[in-house]
Amino acid sequence: DQQVKQNSPSLSVQEGRISILNCDYTNSMFDYFLWYKKYPAEGPTFLISISSIKDKNEDGRFTVFLNKSAKHLSLHIVPSQPGDSAVYFCAASGNNAGNMLTFGGGTRLMVKP
Amino acid sequence: KAGVTQTPRYLIKTRGQQVTLSCSPISGHRSVSWYQQTPGQGLQFLFEYFSETQRNKGNFPGRFSGRQFSNSRSEMNVSTLELGDSALYLCASSLVQRGAHGYTFGSGTRLTVV
Repeated sequence: DQQVKQNSPSLSVQEGRISILNCDYTNSMFDYFLWYKKYPAEGPTFLISISSIKDKNEDGRFTVFLNKSAKHLSLHIVPSQPGDSAVYFCAASGNNAGNMLTFGGGTRLMVKP
Repeated sequence: KAGVTQTPRYLIKTRGQQVTLSCSPISGHRSVSWYQQTPGQGLQFLFEYFSETQRNKGNFPGRFSGRQFSNSRSEMNVSTLELGDSALYLCASSLVQRGAHGYTFGSGTRLTVV
């Protein structure tokens, strides 16, 4: 039972355009959501997070949107750069789960110059 | 400041053997979590330790165990290795109990079971 899903295994975008990565979840107890970026042979790097009391959080080129009624979140990267090419994971945490994160399967983003 | 350090980086073991992986968290971080990453299953939570106590455990068999020392360093052990245990094992540390936003991952230990 996958509680966090990223339905697009890969995404290809032209440099300078917007990248939109999507994530769906099923567990209503999740109240904190995060996005991580991962390069091969490295651990995931934290990008941005959002609490369930918000519907949007912005940090530079990265914006995360949360739609609680749809149990859906998305990460927007504007403008996309070739260095953004990596695997992106969304993750979720519940209030009673300490630091346990439930990860989606990841989306490989390729930004073409 | 130094990041999360995992040793060894690469390991090859034979089926049936046991293995111990080590994780040194960022100085001052008291929470250490372990994850297994495989191509088929993605990143899956193994367990979390906070102040030497296991707080959460994922859905893994009892062959997977861990512990945390008083200096917050953590080890995980896998006994009776199976081919399916081949994976990247990631450790992450955090300062506080619910500090997911401050969760820093190490580069992982790549375990290959032959």
